[in-house]
Amino acid sequence: AQTVTQSQPEMSVQEAETVTLSCTYDTSESDYYLFWYKQPPSRQMILVIRQEAYKQQNATENRFSVNFQKAAKSFSLKISDSQLGDAAMYFCATYSQGGSEKLVFGKGTKLTVNP
Amino acid sequence: EPEVTQTPSHQVTQMGQEVILRCVPISNHLYFYWYRQILGQKVEFLVSFYNNEISEKSEIFDDQFSVERPDGSNFTLKIRSTKLEDSAMYFCASSEAGGGLIIGEKLFFGSGTQLSVL
Repeated sequence: AQTVTQSQPEMSVQEAETVTLSCTYDTSESDYYLFWYKQPPSRQMILVIRQEAYKQQNATENRFSVNFQKAAKSFSLKISDSQLGDAAMYFCATYSQGGSEKLVFGKGTKLTVNP
Repeated sequence: EPEVTQTPSHQVTQMGQEVILRCVPISNHLYFYWYRQILGQKVEFLVSFYNNEISEKSEIFDDQFSVERPDGSNFTLKIRSTKLEDSAMYFCASSEAGGGLIIGEKLFFGSGTQLSVL
């Protein structure tokens, strides 16, 4: 069974600063994918970034990047130059190729951006 | 950008009543999903659907739940007799291919239906 753990229920950052959200996961699959989703107050789920486990290079999307440590099963999200619009719940999720079609989510981290 | 549409955005019902949550997936997508999120908790998988049948379901998806693609464009989730604990945000999602996540396609989520059972 897959599990995803986000140990920080809440985080805060000053506007224009950098913040890192933590995520650890557990899976027995060798072929899997990791995601960060953003959920603003509207509660829509928005894909922020994805990482294929077979790729060693960390994924980057503009101000968002990940630190993927496969051996440690760690997948943290770094947000650079934080903006007020980044304030949201952030969910880490994993998907394994192995018959299951489902995403497994962590409990989320609420990010507050202070002006 | 194409989007998954869910209606209504908010549904209020009495315990024991039947509700149908509606979703219009992206037109060329073939795989459809329902997830739910109880307030303050994580998003949980309910069911996946492909080729007019359920391909996977979670333990949450018991006999009170059913899904249907009645007309080739809509994808519905029916809860036969709602319970208080069914109160949650229900998300529909679709993807172009199975494991579409692994071939570069995004899993598109709708904006959700907030179900309140009184």
